[in-house]
Amino acid sequence: QKEVEQDPGPLSVPEGAIVSLNCTYSNSAFQYFMWYRQYSRKGPELLMYTYSSGNKEDGRFTAQVDKSSKYISLFIRDSQPSDSATYLCAMSFISSGSARQLTFGSGTQLTVLP
Amino acid sequence: DAGVTQSPTHLIKTRGQQVTLRCSPISGHKSVSWYQQVLGQGPQFIFQYYEKEERGRGNFPDRFSARQFPNYSSELNVNALLLGDSALYLCASSLGGLAGANVLTFGAGSRLTVL
Repeated sequence: QKEVEQDPGPLSVPEGAIVSLNCTYSNSAFQYFMWYRQYSRKGPELLMYTYSSGNKEDGRFTAQVDKSSKYISLFIRDSQPSDSATYLCAMSFISSGSARQLTFGSGTQLTVLP
Repeated sequence: DAGVTQSPTHLIKTRGQQVTLRCSPISGHKSVSWYQQVLGQGPQFIFQYYEKEERGRGNFPDRFSARQFPNYSSELNVNALLLGDSALYLCASSLGGLAGANVLTFGAGSRLTVL
């Protein structure tokens, strides 16, 4: 079993739709939760970063963390064609030597149709 | 401001060869991490360096090695290349230390093809 499982997609939605992207995890030591967006042939770009359970909102994006269920989500409101990309969830904890390595999900490819 | 820069952007090697990938972090960032991203998968942690010291190593064989220089740039070396090493190699930089370590900024990657 992978430490982080992500809905694989691909996901295709019409412009203006609300998108829900989800990940589950098994390691309760994870403390920090992130969502990255990756366009084709580019490196991942940080979208959202959160530490505690609950919701965090930034413009059209809302990150939700439920530590009791080991479940995180990213919601995109009023989706745009420019949101078409692969979305990666990532988690981290402090490992030995103060390293904070990220453990990523496998990514969900999203296409927003005009 | 320059972001994380990586070189080369693309390269092709044959099995058994060796490769060196280079990374320049964002100015002021002292920590560099390396990740391997196989097509269709999420990035997988290889190494983290902070202030020129190795702070973490992922589950990769000893064929993988890295170092960080006094100017905080970094190199990733892979020896005895295998077909399975074909991937996008991502470098990420961060301020380092406990507070800033989680905010990683990634470069565009070096795409390695092993034939």
